[in-house]
Amino acid sequence: QKEVEQDPGPLSVPEGAIVSLNCTYSNSAFQYFMWYRQYSRKGPELLMYTYSSGNKEDGRFTAQVDKSSKYISLFIRDSQPSDSATYLCAMFDNAGNMLTFGGGTRLMVKP
Amino acid sequence: KAGVTQTPRYLIKTRGQQVTLSCSPISGHRSVSWYQQTPGQGLQFLFEYFSETQRNKGNFPGRFSGRQFSNSRSEMNVSTLELGDSALYLCASSSQGAMGYTFGSGTRLTVV
Repeated sequence: QKEVEQDPGPLSVPEGAIVSLNCTYSNSAFQYFMWYRQYSRKGPELLMYTYSSGNKEDGRFTAQVDKSSKYISLFIRDSQPSDSATYLCAMFDNAGNMLTFGGGTRLMVKP
Repeated sequence: KAGVTQTPRYLIKTRGQQVTLSCSPISGHRSVSWYQQTPGQGLQFLFEYFSETQRNKGNFPGRFSGRQFSNSRSEMNVSTLELGDSALYLCASSSQGAMGYTFGSGTRLTVV
């Protein structure tokens, strides 16, 4: 079993929908949680990060971390076709100079 | 400012050959990390270099190696290529460990 699990999708939604992307993890030492977006033929780019449990909002994006359940989420409000990409969760512990990634969820937002 | 530059972008090699990939980090970034991305395994950590020293290493065989030069540019080498080494190889540079990664666009390696 992988340390970080993520539903691969694809997830197809109409423009304007609220999107929920999720990851579960098994290593309780993880303290920093991040979401990356990766467009085709590009490297991942950091969207948001949170430390420990709680919520963080940035524009249309909200990240949630529930360490008690080892579950993290990314919500995208008013989704746009330009949001179509693969979304990767990633995390690391306090030692952390390497990221452990989920497998990524492919999102398609249809006009 | 210029981003992380990886060369070449695409590469086709034959089984048994070796290959060297290059990564030029963002100016001022001293940490360079390498990841392998495949459809089956996702992104997996290969190694990290900081100030010319390997600081962390992932769970890959010894055929995978790397180095970092005094100007922070990094290379990774894969010897005796196998079909399963076909992947997108991503380099990320940072001034503050895994928190501040900026990824390059990757080198797509195909082994035939």
